[in-house]
Amino acid sequence: DQQVKQNSPSLSVQEGRISILNCDYTNSMFDYFLWYKKYPAEGPTFLISISSIKDKNEDGRFTVFLNKSAKHLSLHIVPSQPGDSAVYFCAAPHEGNTGKLIFGQGTTLQVKP
Amino acid sequence: GAVVSQHPSWVICKSGTSVKIECRSLDFQATTMFWYRQFPKQSLMLMATSNEGSKATYEQGVEKDKFLINHASLTLSTLTVTSAHPEDSSFYICSAGGQGLGEQYFGPGTRLTVT
Repeated sequence: DQQVKQNSPSLSVQEGRISILNCDYTNSMFDYFLWYKKYPAEGPTFLISISSIKDKNEDGRFTVFLNKSAKHLSLHIVPSQPGDSAVYFCAAPHEGNTGKLIFGQGTTLQVKP
Repeated sequence: GAVVSQHPSWVICKSGTSVKIECRSLDFQATTMFWYRQFPKQSLMLMATSNEGSKATYEQGVEKDKFLINHASLTLSTLTVTSAHPEDSSFYICSAGGQGLGEQYFGPGTRLTVT
């Protein structure tokens, strides 16, 4: 049962344009969501998070939107830069406050100069 | 942000041998660390939760006798892949908890290749 899903395996955008990465979830009890960025052969790095009580969180070029009724969140990157090219994972916490995370399948973003 | 290191960054070993991977939190103490593995072009799959001073808890389908975890101090957890086989070849990543909304800080990963 894939509780966190990223249905687009890849995305290609032009430098300077907006990148929109999508994530769907099935468990309405998730308290928060996180986005991670991962380069090849490296560990993921935390990017931005959002509490389930909010519908938007912004940090510089990165904004995450949460639509609880649709059980959908999205990460917007604007303007996109070539250095943003990486795999992006959305994640949500396991139940029980264990600290464990459930990851989506990831979306590979390519930003073309 | 907090720093988590892993050693080695890559290792090649022969089938049947054991390999130990270290995960260290460099500037904070971590009572809990997590071990993940990632196959090419796939998501990160949680293997186990490493608990300082107690036994690790393993996810369903992960063999605890094959993947030995020891969390002897608040800054170090080790994963030992015992009697490694080629199908154990993967990218192993550890993480430790951070501040805020539960974000984890990840190590750089260890590429294991079993020949």
